[in-house]
Amino acid sequence: NAGVTQTPKFQVLKTGQSMTLQCAQDMNHEYMSWYRQDPGMGLRLIHYSVGAGITDQGEVPNGYNVSRSTTEDFPLRLLSAAPSQTSVYFCASSRVIGELFFGEGSRLTVL
Amino acid sequence: KQEVTQIPAALSVPEGENLVLNCSFTDSAIYNLQWFRQDPGKGLTSLLLIQSSQREQTSGRLNASLDKSSGRSTLYIAASQPGDSATYLCAARVTNYGGSQGNLIFGKGTKLSVKP
Repeated sequence: NAGVTQTPKFQVLKTGQSMTLQCAQDMNHEYMSWYRQDPGMGLRLIHYSVGAGITDQGEVPNGYNVSRSTTEDFPLRLLSAAPSQTSVYFCASSRVIGELFFGEGSRLTVL
Repeated sequence: KQEVTQIPAALSVPEGENLVLNCSFTDSAIYNLQWFRQDPGKGLTSLLLIQSSQREQTSGRLNASLDKSSGRSTLYIAASQPGDSATYLCAARVTNYGGSQGNLIFGKGTKLSVKP
C-alpha cells in the first residue's frame, strides 16, 4: 500500500532557485495539505486543498504555490528559494474530516 | 484562533510504567482530535482518531480520551516499552479555518523516552 508518497526525500538548493516537491496519494482522498516542520515551531500549515481545482492558503503560504489538477496529486512549488525555507516538508491527505495520513517527508536545505 | 498545547515537552519514564500524555485546545468547536507518533527523521504515524461525538478510543495499549467541554485530550499508554520512545503529537481538526473545511492544528508534541 503506497499511501502518501513524497519526492524527493532530500534536496539542496541555492538561494533564488525554484523547485517542486511532489506529493501523490492513492487513497482517493479529497483533502490534501502541505506542512512544514521546524524545531521549536511545530507543524505549520502552508496550503491545503479540498478537491481537484480547489486550493487555499494555510498559516504560512508566502513563497509557496500549489495546484490541484487531479485528486491524486498536490505539488508544492517554491518560487524563489530562501534560507528561511530550509525545513522538513510533509504532505498529508484524508477524507474531508477523516483520519489524516502523512508522507515520509522531504528535507530541504537552502544555501 | 485555535491553539493546541502539549505539556510536558519531554517525559522520561522507566519501562513498564503506565503514563498519560496531555493535550489541551482553546476552542471546543472541533470535528475531531487525532494523536500521532513521530520517530526521529520520520513522518507522522496516526495512532488514534476521536470524533467530536466520542469520549474515547482504544488501540492495543493506547487509550485516548476527549473532553470537549474542558478542551482536553489525554493519551494513556499502558505498560510502556522502550519501543514506545518517540514524539507524540496531538492535532485538533477545527470547524472553520480560512474556509469551509477544517484543517488540523498541531501541538508541538511530547518527547517520550522509555528507559529499559
